[in-house]
Amino acid sequence: SQELEQSPQSLIVQEGKNLTINCTSSKTLYGLYWYKQKYGEGLIFLMMLQKGGEEKSHEKITAKLDEKKQQSSLHITASQPSHAGIYLCGAFANAGGTSYGKLTFGQGTILTVHP
Amino acid sequence: NAGVTQTPKFRILKIGQSMTLQCAQDMNHNYMYWYRQDPGMGLKLIYYSVGAGITDKGEVPNGYNVSRSTTEDFPLRLELAAPSQTSVYFCASIRGPSADTQYFGPGTRLTVL
Repeated sequence: SQELEQSPQSLIVQEGKNLTINCTSSKTLYGLYWYKQKYGEGLIFLMMLQKGGEEKSHEKITAKLDEKKQQSSLHITASQPSHAGIYLCGAFANAGGTSYGKLTFGQGTILTVHP
Repeated sequence: NAGVTQTPKFRILKIGQSMTLQCAQDMNHNYMYWYRQDPGMGLKLIYYSVGAGITDKGEVPNGYNVSRSTTEDFPLRLELAAPSQTSVYFCASIRGPSADTQYFGPGTRLTVL
């Protein structure tokens, strides 16, 4: 079955620094979703990537899906304390066949931003 | 649209008790999911459904059961609650594999003592 591996597991940065979070799979990713979660709260949808080489941006957050569709990166430029939280990547197991519709997540990356 | 709704928001169970977590969506989504999230961790898939009458196990199905008799509702049943089931439970739905957003409910915080 597909396993999504996120790295790093936790990250502490100073305000204003850039950072990158990675999401890697041993299998092709179909529909890669990035979410943010503030402690004790629900999930906030950030972006969805589907095509190899695709890149999307929202404010200071950019997400990319590599050409092989096995790794996605989330890049935050000039981090702010408001960026702190848990970042989660999720993806469908495959495009059809067994486990069709199965959407699993990585273990999350805890981001702390010091003012 | 109300989106994805979950009840209850909080619950404390004693070991061995049973309960049902309710989940409903009004977006006519075929795909629905139950996840659990332990403190500081990611989401673990418990069960999922790709349509009424169709359910399948996720990564951590033991101790849980689901049913999907309608498109709107996807209840999660806990039988013989154990302390290891203390967690936050999220229900989610999505239109399909190419949809641009998966919608999440607000979560149910369950404690088993």
